[in-house]
Amino acid sequence: DADVTQTPRNRITKTGKRIMLECSQTKGHDRMYWYRQDPGLGLRLIYYSFDVKDINKGEISDGYSVSRQAQAKFSLSLESAIPNQTALYFCATSPQAALKEQFFGPGTRLTVL
Amino acid sequence: QQQVKQSPQSLIVQKGGISIINCAYENTAFDYFPWYQQFPGKGPALLIAIRPDVSEKKEGRFTISFNKSAKQFSLHIMDSQPGDSATYFCAASSVSGANNLFFGTGTRLTVIP
Repeated sequence: DADVTQTPRNRITKTGKRIMLECSQTKGHDRMYWYRQDPGLGLRLIYYSFDVKDINKGEISDGYSVSRQAQAKFSLSLESAIPNQTALYFCATSPQAALKEQFFGPGTRLTVL
Repeated sequence: QQQVKQSPQSLIVQKGGISIINCAYENTAFDYFPWYQQFPGKGPALLIAIRPDVSEKKEGRFTISFNKSAKQFSLHIMDSQPGDSATYFCAASSVSGANNLFFGTGTRLTVIP
């Protein structure tokens, strides 16, 4: 089984709809992250969480919210989706120690019509 | 503002050739420089990383060269193989900056048989 899983893998939705992307991990890591990937822009950090009670905004948090339901679960919500949120979304995890590898999930391709 | 600038955007190399991808940064607080490899339909995965106390790190056919004074680092792939065809991202982070990764815009490498 994959260490970092994301659901759904693909989603098409309409402008104005609320949508939630979910991430689960079995690596036992404290830190979890949400990124979006756009062609020509690389990966940009949306939100990150260092433990269940610690949630922080990243570079591009506007229009997004997150919830850390447990150490192993971190969900990303788009309260009212808009077309420019069409992107590939990745969840990642890492150990609490400094300068450690981040482990990425397989991604969710989101299309907002 | 892109904290890590990466070039080229795409690269085509013959099998057996050397692939070179370059990155530059401005923030002198960065002290960890990883390279991630991403295959289509997959999340990025750590390939190799370097700290600024060394000028070069080699792992198999992959080498990072680091120039602290120029604030530049590069990935060299020796004896490039078709299986190396992927998108490569450089990144940077700092302990003082919560260890969050700032990614370059990515380089799509194609190795022709």
